[in-house]
Amino acid sequence: AQKVTQAQTEISVVEKEDVTLDCVYETRDTTYYLFWYKQPPSGELVFLIRRNSFDEQNEISGRYSWNFQKSTSSFNFTITASQVVDSAVYFCALSEASMNRDDKIIFGKGTRLHILP
Amino acid sequence: DAGVIQSPRHEVTEMGQEVTLRCKPISGHDYLFWYRQTMMRGLELLIYFNNNVPIDDSGMPEDRFSAKMPNASFSTLKIQPSEPRDSAVYFCASISGGPYNEQFFGPGTRLTVL
Repeated sequence: AQKVTQAQTEISVVEKEDVTLDCVYETRDTTYYLFWYKQPPSGELVFLIRRNSFDEQNEISGRYSWNFQKSTSSFNFTITASQVVDSAVYFCALSEASMNRDDKIIFGKGTRLHILP
Repeated sequence: DAGVIQSPRHEVTEMGQEVTLRCKPISGHDYLFWYRQTMMRGLELLIYFNNNVPIDDSGMPEDRFSAKMPNASFSTLKIQPSEPRDSAVYFCASISGGPYNEQFFGPGTRLTVL
């Protein structure tokens, strides 16, 4: 069955520090998709990235970068030079491409990130 | 596009009352998802539709919950009768082209059952 584990419940760092949010997943499928979503204090959920299981290239978008490693079933998210506006809850999610009846889009419990000024 | 629209944004009701939450997906999106978010359980998928047809409702907690999608631009999630443990934020999300594409979430409905 699918499973997404975000072991870090809450993280606090001082502004301008780098921070990495961990995500470990379990799936029996060879084709799947991984996501990161951001939920700022205002409450909405915002898509950040999608990665499919055949693309292990790391991705960088401004201060954000993602490290996908199938060998360790991890899809970690790093924020470089963090800013107060990065304070939010970040969710990692997994979707199996087959979307059989037993499969769902599974979200991790989220990591609450506090960036201290 | 206005994005996914949910109404009401806040709902306070008393135990035993019927509650109806509404969602308008982004035009042209063919998948619609309902989620519930609580501190204890996180973000849970309740049900999702493809082309207005319910595909997986295994996340619906019990028979008190029901969801419909009468057309491509409207869906409802109904709780009857409501209970205090149903208090949560309910999100609707829509997707175009496949259940594993980017989800666009609505602003959520914060439900409080007294």
